[in-house]
Amino acid sequence: IQLTQSPSSLSASVGDRVTITCRASQAISSYLAWYQQKPGIAPELLISAASTLQSGVPARFSGSGSGTDFTLTISSLQPEDFATYYCQQLNSLPYTFGQGTKLEIK
Amino acid sequence: QLQLQESGPGLVKPSETLSLTCTVSGGTISSANYYWGWIRQPPGKGLEWIGNIFYSGNTYYNPSLKSRVTISIDTSKKQFSLKLSSVTAADTAVYYCARHEYISSPVGFDVWGQGTLVTVSS
Repeated sequence: IQLTQSPSSLSASVGDRVTITCRASQAISSYLAWYQQKPGIAPELLISAASTLQSGVPARFSGSGSGTDFTLTISSLQPEDFATYYCQQLNSLPYTFGQGTKLEIK
Repeated sequence: QLQLQESGPGLVKPSETLSLTCTVSGGTISSANYYWGWIRQPPGKGLEWIGNIFYSGNTYYNPSLKSRVTISIDTSKKQFSLKLSSVTAADTAVYYCARHEYISSPVGFDVWGQGTLVTVSS
């Protein structure tokens, strides 16, 4: 299953609302996870099952979607949110990741 | 809290076998709620799932690597390992081990090691 994220890169300012999209090549129910990765550091799981926020993840992060179309929204960007974000499908093997969305400071 | 730590050579010659071990501390490796996985990331590129293993030894591999990959587990040592044979420069990457939570359905990789860079070069 191929995952396509858009945009591939995004420039935004602190306080902005940002939405990243992940589209699956076939339906994956809600078996989608979102990760945040900062340079030189392992990815961190933010959201599982398309919309379940992991413990300790700020409430400004939210996820939605099912089937083939999913979104990750950051309601008010903070300086620590500038990173690369990946979606991952867990509906069927092999597990696949999107190509990533790099969120940069404007 | 649970921690994972990768170990192994940082340099491997072309055509040889890459071998890495992940040591689990601060928790059990023998839980029915988790798989243990390997993911890699070539420099400047995205993430690729390599495979998972359950504490019972059941394995699941990415078909793109299946002919070259072996993942094993030693529950007594709280370790699981990756072997990738016949490596080329395309296998140069940061290799991560991670815990895959799976309670009634797959959740995702919720705990990661710090990653280890493996370079394939003569």
